[in-house]
Formats: sequence, structure tokens, C-alpha cells
Amino acid sequence: DTEVTQTPKHLVMGMTNKKSLKCEQHMGHRAMYWYKQKAKKPPELMFVYSYEKLSINESVPSRFSPECPNSSLLNLHLHALQPEDSALYLCASSHTPGQGAKNIQYFGAGTRLSVL
Amino acid sequence: EDQVTQSPEALRLQEGESSSLNCSYTVSGLRGLFWYRQDPGKGPEFLFTLYSAGEEKEKERLKATLTKKESFLHITAPKPEDSATYLCAVRPFGNEKLTFGTGTRLTIIP
Repeated sequence: DTEVTQTPKHLVMGMTNKKSLKCEQHMGHRAMYWYKQKAKKPPELMFVYSYEKLSINESVPSRFSPECPNSSLLNLHLHALQPEDSALYLCASSHTPGQGAKNIQYFGAGTRLSVL
Repeated sequence: EDQVTQSPEALRLQEGESSSLNCSYTVSGLRGLFWYRQDPGKGPEFLFTLYSAGEEKEKERLKATLTKKESFLHITAPKPEDSATYLCAVRPFGNEKLTFGTGTRLTIIP
């Protein structure tokens, strides 16, 4: 089973709202990722967590705040977003950081975010 | 800087008409090349990973090959359900980051 579950599937929020995206996996993976994908573009990496610690932040604005409460769960807290932040937000997980090419990333179905 | 270029951008084929998708890459040291399939509004679905030049992997109607500069995804006798965007990505040594190409939108016409 290679299932990564993301909730909600769709989210509409105003620029003053605070919301959170949730990602869960039960495959024992110890690396988890957030990506942003605009229409007809490839996924762009935002954050990487390895063993529940933030290891990569791709210079993402502070209005996006990641959190990894445990090895199965990854959250992305959203605050004061802009309309240009509307996109598909994808979560991925992989087995063990640093285990080379066999460290395959498995993606969830994504959260479609619209910022009004 | 790692770069991935996919061609063509879009491809329309008749059902049963075989073809190939190309992924050209430059990377400081290739640890792995990955192929994913993505349906509209969904997350990428893992297809293959290739580690070294000369390697080949097959799954149903798909076959992926790798050279030192590019990878091909060959599709044999495709069916309409093979319609999707196919993404190629590379990961260099010492880095968990995947660099994706812009994808090939494949449409199979019944």
C-alpha cells in the first residue's frame, strides 16, 4: 500500500482566513514533503521533513507554516494568503531520507486551494 | 543547476499507435530518474525509477529506458486510459530534492 491521504480535497479561503492542510501516511515513511503545483506546471518543492525535522525550506513565504507533529502526519498552516497562492498543494512521503535512488516519493491526491 | 526538459509538450495518438516521450536532463550526479503519471486534478502516480545508463523497466504498455543524457518512455499500443500527463524527475546525489520537467500531455484517441 502506497497511500498518502490529504484533507480537505478542496478549500476556499479569504485573504484574512487561517486554515490548515493535513497529510497522513501509515507506510512508516520518515521523509515527508509539501509541493505546490500551478495549472499545467510541474510540482514545485516547498518543504522537506526528515525524521520529523525540517530539512529543506525552498524560501517559502512565512504565510505558509509547516508542521510535523509525528512521523505519520504533516500539516501546512495557511495565513493571510494571496490570490496567487491558489494552486494544487501536494503532499508526498518517502521511505528513509538518504537511502539513495530507492527513496521513491509517493504523492497524495492533493488539496485544491482557492484564495479569494 | 539541475535541469529537466521533456518533449513533446503534447502528443495526440490514435489508439494502438505506439510512440515515445523524451526526457533530457543535466544533473551534477544522477542518483535516480523517476517517471510519474498525473491525471487532471490528481497527484502524480509513481511509474518507474532508473538508476544507471542502460537500465530498462517495463510495466504493461510502458517501457522506460535511460542513457547518460536522456530517458525515453515508450508506449506500445496505447489505450484511451493511458491519456495523462507524464512527468520526468531527477534527483542528484546528496539531495532529497526532485527536479521535475514540465511534462508531456498524452491524449489517446479511440
